[in-house]
Amino acid sequence: SAVISQKPSRDICQRGTSLTIQCQVDSQVTMMFWYRQQPGQSLTLIATANQGSEATYESGFVIDKFPISRPNLTFSTLTVSNMSPEDSSIYLCSVGADNTEAFFGQGTRLTVV
Amino acid sequence: GEDVEQSLFLSVREGDSSVINCTYTDSSSTYLYWYKQEPGAGLQLLTYIFSNMDMKQDQRLTVLLNKKDKHLSLRIADTQTGDSAIYFCAESPSWGKLQFGAGTQVVVTP
Repeated sequence: SAVISQKPSRDICQRGTSLTIQCQVDSQVTMMFWYRQQPGQSLTLIATANQGSEATYESGFVIDKFPISRPNLTFSTLTVSNMSPEDSSIYLCSVGADNTEAFFGQGTRLTVV
Repeated sequence: GEDVEQSLFLSVREGDSSVINCTYTDSSSTYLYWYKQEPGAGLQLLTYIFSNMDMKQDQRLTVLLNKKDKHLSLRIADTQTGDSAIYFCAESPSWGKLQFGAGTQVVVTP
């Protein structure tokens, strides 16, 4: 299994500011993904973080709002830009391993005030 | 509507078996997953099943897959208080990308 560390684990931010969330994996992985879990809701895929190229975004998510970096095979960042209270969610990093299992970090609980 | 559907709530007595049901829509999903989320925690991968299998057993967990009906279930034997959590079913339309259900809140009572 892959061990995934996310930072920060939680944060309270002012509206209009940006927050960058880091995801570190203990092994090289091909696929890294970012999900959002709004309060009381299920998880929704934001984007696939591609190493060496731009992220691939799902419908309803755009690069200007959620820029993503993937500088190597063990690390990725997600930035939540120009935040509003509607961005209050848990943001989770996920990695795929062995073409079967998909593991998640502990998540970053973001509250925008 | 949801591509993956689950019942929202299940109450079970300690020591009984829990059965959580899920229906999905994407017949091309190669793997189907069950995750557990405890309060304030991330997602823990419980088990997964390959789409050409009917059943998978892992200790107290049994996964049943009816591919014809696109129905997946998770049975937890001898349910304990530590099993209280939200359980998410997920399909994988392409590897690594998961489509989740809304989650089933399981409450275990003494």
